Amino acid sequence: QSVLTQPPSVSAAAGQKVTISCSGSSSNIGSNFVFWYQQFPGTAPKLLIHDNNKRPSGIPDRFSGSKSGTSATLGITGLQTGDEADYYCGTWDPNPSAHVVFGGGTKLTVL
Amino acid sequence: QVQLVESGGGVVRPGRSLRLSCVGSGFNFRSYAVHWVRQAPGKGLEWVAVISYDETNKDYADSVKGRFSISRDNSKNTLYLQMNSLRADDTAMYFCARGIYGDPPLSWGQGTLVTVSS
Repeated sequence: QSVLTQPPSVSAAAGQKVTISCSGSSSNIGSNFVFWYQQFPGTAPKLLIHDNNKRPSGIPDRFSGSKSGTSATLGITGLQTGDEADYYCGTWDPNPSAHVVFGGGTKLTVL
Repeated sequence: QVQLVESGGGVVRPGRSLRLSCVGSGFNFRSYAVHWVRQAPGKGLEWVAVISYDETNKDYADSVKGRFSISRDNSKNTLYLQMNSLRADDTAMYFCARGIYGDPPLSWGQGTLVTVSS
């Protein structure tokens, strides 16, 4: 059972937009930055979004992040078949002791 | 470019020990915190431990506290994870990842596989 809650799966047609939610609490998402990762089968996670809404260099602006209160959202526009992957949110949680928490992951299917 | 290369994984019997290593290059290793994150087969990401750039802070997941120990040698750009009293549920791909202490990881290595089985 993950501390952060994500939908197990989402799907949308190629060219459309999809959002992936990540729900937490006041001690984690509510007080810290949210990061988003993309992972293809058999490979390492790759950072998509850091500090709630900032994209590292090389990440297309089709990917966006937002945060409100104790929830965060990853948005992907202009969906491509190459976006089919697992997506994870993560953040810091200092309670009861300092640690990183991840969501359970969301499998994106592009129809 | 930033690279993190893990090694030391393998097959080990329950109750035994294993030490993982991770060598960083392409960035100032001694300026970054470094994490261990694992992923059991077919499962999601599970954070294991983090060590701050100067070793002042070492934090662990409850599932490994008292059994695993994280350390680093900045003169060798190397991170370690000493894993003792291994259990079957420690079986996973172990990734090292650099970051800023107090935030999730930024960039990740490719991982090393640990299998605990009799």
